Amino acid sequence: EAGVTQFPSHSVIEKGQTVTLRCDPISGHDNLYWYRRVMGKEIKFLLHFVKESKQDESGMPNNRFLAERTGGTYSTLKVQPAELEDSGVYFCASSQDPGTWGETQYFGPGTRLLVL
Amino acid sequence: GNSVTQMEGPVTLSEEAFLTINCTYTATGYPSLFWYVQYPGEGLQLLLKATKADDKGSNKGFEATYRKETTSFHLEKGSVQVSDSAVYFCALPQGNTGKLIFGQGTTLQVKP
Repeated sequence: EAGVTQFPSHSVIEKGQTVTLRCDPISGHDNLYWYRRVMGKEIKFLLHFVKESKQDESGMPNNRFLAERTGGTYSTLKVQPAELEDSGVYFCASSQDPGTWGETQYFGPGTRLLVL
Repeated sequence: GNSVTQMEGPVTLSEEAFLTINCTYTATGYPSLFWYVQYPGEGLQLLLKATKADDKGSNKGFEATYRKETTSFHLEKGSVQVSDSAVYFCALPQGNTGKLIFGQGTTLQVKP
């Protein structure tokens, strides 16, 4: 069974440009999460999809970030326009059941974004 | 809300040394507790988990026991190897929302 995949693995862009990150969850996983780790700090939650619906987007930093999950399969996270502080590693994770007490989330390899 | 505090690194050990990485938490109820690991150049992997008090999670020689009385979930390994060099994250879910709250990560470097 394929794991969570993310594309691209690395992205270097200039401030003001647009970048779109993609995540393909494990097949059959309704729950999809985006997280971010900035400059060696803790990993922080961005948002959670259940199928195509946004269940929780409380962690999205601002309106420059837009996440979609059309059709409830893969998800995209677009940053427009990118700022220097957006640099970091963006992780995607998926799980099968609603994330309650014991559900394990499976993470992708991450996208390393550098904004110059 | 729930929170987790993890010991700061980096931690540098010689091969075959004993490892402890401290993790304490505050939580409503009794959520599952997780340790994730990120090896150089790779993504996050689940290392182990415990789902209730006094449970011991174990994997690859690592162990962690869910201690309700001390609200701790310390990671231990009796004899580390160079291949254990990685960043280790303690985590727990925020209520029943599913989103994970992570510690700041502890970098472990094991020298031959």
